[in-house]
Amino acid sequence: GNSVTQMEGPVTLSEEAFLTINCTYTATGYPSLFWYVQYPGEGLQLLLKATKADDKGSNKGFEATYRKETTSFHLEKGSVQVSDSAVYFCAPHKDSNYQLIWGAGTKLIIKP
Amino acid sequence: GAVVSQHPSRVICKSGTSVKIECRSLDFQATTMFWYRQFPKQSLMLMATSNEGSKATYEQGVEKDKFLINHASLTLSTLTVTSAHPEDSSFYICSAPAGTGPEAFFGQGTRLTVV
Repeated sequence: GNSVTQMEGPVTLSEEAFLTINCTYTATGYPSLFWYVQYPGEGLQLLLKATKADDKGSNKGFEATYRKETTSFHLEKGSVQVSDSAVYFCAPHKDSNYQLIWGAGTKLIIKP
Repeated sequence: GAVVSQHPSRVICKSGTSVKIECRSLDFQATTMFWYRQFPKQSLMLMATSNEGSKATYEQGVEKDKFLINHASLTLSTLTVTSAHPEDSSFYICSAPAGTGPEAFFGQGTRLTVV
């Protein structure tokens, strides 16, 4: 079955710094890959996704590329803002049905 | 885009009482909804899959008599925490699949505090 390993947090950066949050997965077949974001006190929101190898998902300045050869889906942003402070979850598609399985989440703290 | 609305966002209840949490799909029909529990600083734990018109499917270790799930219509699923205790205090989140694939729409979550 699928599993996911996500960079431990918290990750603390200064505003305008470059961000990388690592995510690697094990999978049977080729799962779809998702990043969700959870802002303080809120539910989850889909940030971006990629459905096949070499696809790049992007949204709000964030990007992640589906790397089949390294089974990774690292999240990147060139210049973070304070408003990006949140918890980020990497989630590949579970192979048995359309459920997602979840990484532990990475808390991102951006300081002004 | 499609929206899943969860209510209430926060609730405080006394030990021994029951609390109902609603999850509604606002502009689409959801034959399936998922209920998650999130512990502080941890990931989401799938509790159960709610199926419209049939019994919910519970994950291993989740007490079905304590966490009652009802999916009475194509737009509403409810989770009732019965005889709540302080250890049930948590953040509960529902989601509904966006289509035939794995993408999902999430409710805003419910912060339950049992005192």
